Amino acid sequence: GAVVSQHPSWVICKSGTSVKIECRSLDFQATTMFWYRQFPKQSLMLMATSNEGSKATYEQGVEKDKFLINHASLTLSTLTVTSAHPEDSSFYICSAPPWGRESQETQYFGPGTRLLVL
Amino acid sequence: SQQGEEDPQALSIQEGENATMNCSYKTSINNLQWYRQNSGRGLVHLILIRSNEREKHSGRLRVTLDTSKKSSSLLITASRAADTASYFCATETFNKFYFGSGTKLNVKP
Repeated sequence: GAVVSQHPSWVICKSGTSVKIECRSLDFQATTMFWYRQFPKQSLMLMATSNEGSKATYEQGVEKDKFLINHASLTLSTLTVTSAHPEDSSFYICSAPPWGRESQETQYFGPGTRLLVL
Repeated sequence: SQQGEEDPQALSIQEGENATMNCSYKTSINNLQWYRQNSGRGLVHLILIRSNEREKHSGRLRVTLDTSKKSSSLLITASRAADTASYFCATETFNKFYFGSGTKLNVKP
């Protein structure tokens, strides 16, 4: 089946630094990818939609200057948490529907990246 | 949550019993899906039900959908200790997925 990978799987950083998280579709192309955030014992919250070749669209309440998204190619989207603070500590998950099936039901989820900001 | 609530928030049952989880959502949907998540791990897709379907089965899973009430239920029959996980419903609207608040299921051996 289709695979989505994330790197790194976990990261610890100091407050004020920026952290980049990669999301890759390994055996399919994706013009659209989605980024989610999950705080402990809570549900996944959709943060933004990453669009290859154009700007990302952000959900209400998500700061676009704080969470920079770059969809560099049909297999790679990156999320950069800029000037990270402890409240940004969370589990970040990406997902992608195969290209041409964006309106279809299936999305493939990455394994997640756990971010801890000290 | 962005989409709706699930109940119960937590459910503890004995192995062999059935587990029922409910999900309510807010907007019109194209489809509704159920996922499981083991602690601190990624999501596993379980089953999808389209907006024009009322019931669907997959192995020990049974999903119902009532679009008039904007609700869905997931039934896991003959539960096993390995079913212990968090379960989330997710609705798809305009190509975006929105997740419910989740039910934490504990199946005791």
